[in-house]
Amino acid sequence: RKEVEQDPGPFNVPEGATVAFNCTYSNSASQSFFWYRQDCRKEPKLLMSVYSSGNEDGRFTAQLNRASQYISLLIRDSKLSDSATYLCVVRDSSYKLIFGSGTRLLVRP
Amino acid sequence: EPEVTQTPSHQVTQMGQEVILRCVPISNHLYFYWYRQILGQKVEFLVSFYNNEISEKSEIFDDQFSVERPDGSNFTLKIRSTKLEDSAMYFCASRESPGGGSYEQYFGPGTRLTVT
Repeated sequence: RKEVEQDPGPFNVPEGATVAFNCTYSNSASQSFFWYRQDCRKEPKLLMSVYSSGNEDGRFTAQLNRASQYISLLIRDSKLSDSATYLCVVRDSSYKLIFGSGTRLLVRP
Repeated sequence: EPEVTQTPSHQVTQMGQEVILRCVPISNHLYFYWYRQILGQKVEFLVSFYNNEISEKSEIFDDQFSVERPDGSNFTLKIRSTKLEDSAMYFCASRESPGGGSYEQYFGPGTRLTVT
């Protein structure tokens, strides 16, 4: 079983749409959870951390369900500039980051 | 805003040659990492480094790889004898001290290594 599993997509949505990405992780001892964004041939950039209580940052909402080992990201009112690959990332007890393969989002005009 | 820098941005080398990838982490950070991403695949952890020694390394980080902090600012990854399968994007990352509340790792822009 993959350590961090994501639907690869691509998700092809019109501007203004709401889109949700899901992720599962296998190690119940994982410590912290993140969504990163990666543009083509660029470095991963932190989009937001994910907390057990759920958290929101503008149009982005992240949820964590530790019992189900499930993480989600919701993007509302999609913009063209949201087109990217979204990486679900888990930090283990040794602080290294474990990346999912990413979900590709294409926002069309 | 402080950032992690990496040089070169692209390195082309022949199989069997040695390469050194360089990184300058953020100045007050104490934890350093190398990750790699083969084209079309996920980002994979290679090694973590703290207090002038390796904290953890992955199965990928075999005897062909080594890391060094030769001075107070640089952090290098050396591949002694490159193979075709070493072709990938190599990302350096750094994190601040353990007392800091943030676990965020800041990534450099990467070095694209092409082995021919």
